[in-house]
Amino acid sequence: ETGVTQSPTHLIKTRGQQVTLRCSSQSGHNTVSWYQQALGQGPQFIFQYYREEENGRGNFPPRFSGLQFPNYSSELNVNALELDDSALYLCASSSRVNSGYNEQFFGPGTRLTVL
Amino acid sequence: AQTVTQSQPEMSVQEAETVTLSCTYDTSESDYYLFWYKQPPSRQMILVIRQEAYKQQNATENRFSVNFQKAAKSFSLKISDSQLGDAAMYFCAYKNYGGSQGNLIFGKGTKLSVKP
Repeated sequence: ETGVTQSPTHLIKTRGQQVTLRCSSQSGHNTVSWYQQALGQGPQFIFQYYREEENGRGNFPPRFSGLQFPNYSSELNVNALELDDSALYLCASSSRVNSGYNEQFFGPGTRLTVL
Repeated sequence: AQTVTQSQPEMSVQEAETVTLSCTYDTSESDYYLFWYKQPPSRQMILVIRQEAYKQQNATENRFSVNFQKAAKSFSLKISDSQLGDAAMYFCAYKNYGGSQGNLIFGKGTKLSVKP
């Protein structure tokens, strides 16, 4: 069974640029969530995708957008990068099979640096 | 809005001894989940233990146990027989019952060092 993978591992961008981060969910999982973890902080929920549709969003501006593909992999896009977007971006996948809580499995993250 | 507070930025424990990490939270909900996650230097978040608020019995997973005090909104993690591999950042997290699966609310974390 393959775990959650993310690419790239590290990324450096300049202010104003756009970035796309990728996540492959664990086999059998249909739900992907994205989190932003600033240095010295806990992760903050950005949004979640279920069956290719956004299914919940945290307090992030519209320049943070995402996609989920038929194979349940996902992309996080950030436009007009700002210095404060520098963070570790974590992806987590889960299998939404019942109304209870289904454990999320996290990837190793993408470290984004905005200069 | 719900909040999670971890008041200990750093903790240290001797190998084989016991350490307790503190967490308090604020919510007006009666049904929710609480979690402790471990984040080693590899950055991958790993679920350590989970507690459902409706369960009075404290959760236990091998050397890890929690002290869940619902009225006090307190959720501490006890690590017994500490091992070098326990060294990591530990995050306390909260989730409302129902709603989006992904909306975990994390504290700022506690960095645990284990001394040989």
